[in-house]
Amino acid sequence: GAVVSQHPSRVICKSGTSVKIECRSLDFQATTMFWYRQFPKQSLMLMATSNEGSKATYEQGVEKDKFLINHASLTLSTLTVTSAHPEDSSFYICSATQGGWANYGYTFGSGTRLTVV
Amino acid sequence: EDQVTQSPEALRLQEGESSSLNCSYTVSGLRGLFWYRQDPGKGPEFLFTLYSAGEEKEKERLKATLTKKESFLHITAPKPEDSATYLCAVQTQGGSEKLVFGKGTKLTVNP
Repeated sequence: GAVVSQHPSRVICKSGTSVKIECRSLDFQATTMFWYRQFPKQSLMLMATSNEGSKATYEQGVEKDKFLINHASLTLSTLTVTSAHPEDSSFYICSATQGGWANYGYTFGSGTRLTVV
Repeated sequence: EDQVTQSPEALRLQEGESSSLNCSYTVSGLRGLFWYRQDPGKGPEFLFTLYSAGEEKEKERLKATLTKKESFLHITAPKPEDSATYLCAVQTQGGSEKLVFGKGTKLTVNP
């Protein structure tokens, strides 16, 4: 089955530094990748949608200059949290689809727990 | 605005005690409804996709059903390993591939 690898699983960084999270589709080409943020006991909130080779589409209220998304290949998307602050601490999850979601569905990564101190 | 509401927020069952989780939705047009299982500190794991009212799908002790306003996830004779948070999500008509998630139901099955 489709597998999405997300790395790192946990990261602690100092306030003001930047952190990069990688999301890789291991056995399929991901035409579209999604980045979510999840707070404790809350739903997954979509942050942005990215298509290979084009600029990401950000959801309302998400700062595109703070959360940089790059989808340079069909198997890799990255989320960079720039100048991180404690309020950016959260659980970040990526998902990917091969396109034609009705046939292939969405596969999620295992998530990244970001703690900003 | 598209909305997905799951109930109850939390559910405790004894092993073998069957029950149902509810997902009600208000969307402009439904393309698909998804059920996922999420373990603590992990990403969601796919369970089912339902496309039209009246559709049912089964997997082991789980059965998902869909009406025009809601979906149910029935759990028959649950085991402790079924303990997890169950998430419901919808994809709406309009061209976007994004999913709108409910807040989930945290299920605990006691031995």
